[in-house]
Amino acid sequence: EAQVTQNPRYLITVTGKKLTVTCSQNMNHEYMSWYRQDPGLGLRQIYYSMNVEVTDKGDVPEGYKVSRKEKRNFPLILESPSPNQTSLYFCASSLSSGGTQYFGPGTRLLVL
Amino acid sequence: DQQVKQNSPSLSVQEGRISILNCDYTNSMFDYFLWYKKYPAEGPTFLISISSIKDKNEDGRFTVFLNKSAKHLSLHIVPSQPGDSAVYFCAASWNTDKLIFGTGTRLQVFP
Repeated sequence: EAQVTQNPRYLITVTGKKLTVTCSQNMNHEYMSWYRQDPGLGLRQIYYSMNVEVTDKGDVPEGYKVSRKEKRNFPLILESPSPNQTSLYFCASSLSSGGTQYFGPGTRLLVL
Repeated sequence: DQQVKQNSPSLSVQEGRISILNCDYTNSMFDYFLWYKKYPAEGPTFLISISSIKDKNEDGRFTVFLNKSAKHLSLHIVPSQPGDSAVYFCAASWNTDKLIFGTGTRLQVFP
């Protein structure tokens, strides 16, 4: 089954404790992206990757890091989480950057 | 600066009637538009799209209309069903660049 998976689905952490949210896709997509969804703000892009070892900032990259060492994986790293990063996070992948994106189920993060 | 706007945060429609969700954009360079549907506790799923060379695209109960001169697109759902209750996001892109999403409209279809 073609899908995008994210782990964990739910996470409660404390300020400053490094965390990683994993994302994996099995569709051989070149383009992957991370979004956060906040009330009244819709989906905002954090980082994206056009291909392996190629990543770039989206609209709200501050406080986040990513890596793309393999085509299928695109982890999101919060080196020192802060309460304003409490949000719902989605990973997505697509054949190309402007095409139809397939989203993971989401990771709800609470930073205390 | 919100390039893609959905000015109605919510919409309530009776089952069987038409649902019309609206989306406005500011960048005239956008050439590809999509609608996504999102249920609670799930990721958004692709619903329907339209390229700027068309003004209408239909898929079953769902039709997207594009008015380039007004920089406006709309999603029509006919007839509306309770299972259509979800949050709908419109999105736009240009020259195969990244997607820009709107803020979403929560549709509730009641019996």
